[in-house]
Amino acid sequence: GQQLNQSPQSMFIQEGEDVSMNCTSSSIFNTWLWYKQDPGEGPVLLIALYKAGELTSNGRLTAQFGITRKDSFLNISASIPSDVGIYFCAGGVGGATNKLIFGTGTLLAVQP
Amino acid sequence: NAGVTQTPKFRILKIGQSMTLQCTQDMNHNYMYWYRQDPGMGLKLIYYSVGAGITDKGEVPNGYNVSRSTTEDFPLRLELAAPSQTSVYFCASSYPFQGQASYGYTFGSGTRLTVV
Repeated sequence: GQQLNQSPQSMFIQEGEDVSMNCTSSSIFNTWLWYKQDPGEGPVLLIALYKAGELTSNGRLTAQFGITRKDSFLNISASIPSDVGIYFCAGGVGGATNKLIFGTGTLLAVQP
Repeated sequence: NAGVTQTPKFRILKIGQSMTLQCTQDMNHNYMYWYRQDPGMGLKLIYYSVGAGITDKGEVPNGYNVSRSTTEDFPLRLELAAPSQTSVYFCASSYPFQGQASYGYTFGSGTRLTVV
């Protein structure tokens, strides 16, 4: 099946640092979504992107829909301890089932 | 709003036992999904449903069954538990698709299942 390659697999950073992660695919998507999963909880939607080239922010988070429609990027500025968690990208092609393909996740650890 | 509610949160099963993971949502979402999450492997789709009475297989359906008799509920059944089914299970729901865009899912908080 389709796969999304998400990198890096994990990041260990100091509080206040900026973070970048990305997701790439061999297939084209019409929608890119970014989720965060806190320990012991389900993923929560952070940002949704619907157009190639689109740049969208949510507080300290900024995500971009790649021009080729095969990739997406998430940046977190001035990280804080509560940013800790697993970040997932997901790609969607629309259609009657609204199925999403999820990346393998990036584990983020923030040292105070 | 409660969103998506999953029960139980934790369960230990013996090999060969059966159980049902419950999922209910109160957002009137037509679409519902079951995923399993294994360490370092992301989320794999088990089954999904686009409305009451309609279900279909996802990527990893073997060993599982589902039903959808109401819009709100989408239970996942394990008939003969195997160690390979040790995982964290997430239920999710979404609005129906519209055009080419995909709607984001709302996830439950998960059921952690161990089969011994």
